[in-house]
Amino acid sequence: SQQGEEDPQALSIQEGENATMNCSYKTSINNLQWYRQNSGRGLVHLILIRSNEREKHSGRLRVTLDTSKKSSSLLITASRAADTASYFCATGVGTYKYIFGTGTRLKVLA
Amino acid sequence: DGGITQSPKYLFRKEGQNVTLSCEQNLNHDAMYWYRQDPGQGLRLIYYSQIVNDFQKGDIAEGYSVSREKKESFPLTVTSAQKNPTAFYLCASSTPLAGYTDTQYFGPGTRLTVL
Repeated sequence: SQQGEEDPQALSIQEGENATMNCSYKTSINNLQWYRQNSGRGLVHLILIRSNEREKHSGRLRVTLDTSKKSSSLLITASRAADTASYFCATGVGTYKYIFGTGTRLKVLA
Repeated sequence: DGGITQSPKYLFRKEGQNVTLSCEQNLNHDAMYWYRQDPGQGLRLIYYSQIVNDFQKGDIAEGYSVSREKKESFPLTVTSAQKNPTAFYLCASSTPLAGYTDTQYFGPGTRLTVL
């Protein structure tokens, strides 16, 4: 069953702009992870934020987590054409289970 | 794609055939997973394995089978009972940290097409 819901489903921005995508989920989680997927490829892990963390940074990425609202956001600053991809959130539940959202398709125009 | 390999990259199946997708990891991870991805969709869990010789059904296990005879290998068989097998298949692995899920790593995927 899909727990995560990304918003928006698709996003188109100009190079240099910031891109923000959101993820909502339904149950208690251990952590939340964001992945990038280029067309026809596997998923690349971007960042993991644990349930007791509120914000995390990695390079041009900033992730926030609000467990009271059951939501997370991924901000990509100063976007580049190479950031064009689909982005997925995945919630870690229990010891072994991960539940993926439906993804946000980001297009960065040069 | 980390230390996970999947083969083949593309696979074509005729109606009524069983096919096996390979997944190998050298990350020494305990858990391995198979997901199915349809166009424009997220990932759906087919099977997962916590340890060798043990595996559990995911959300869409019907028509699929797996084995876990070695820690590094988790092959997926798509049987003729799977009515709509055309999809992109992704293998992943992870190891729990302090009893909770931790980072999951993915292979490059296998695209299966039924002719």
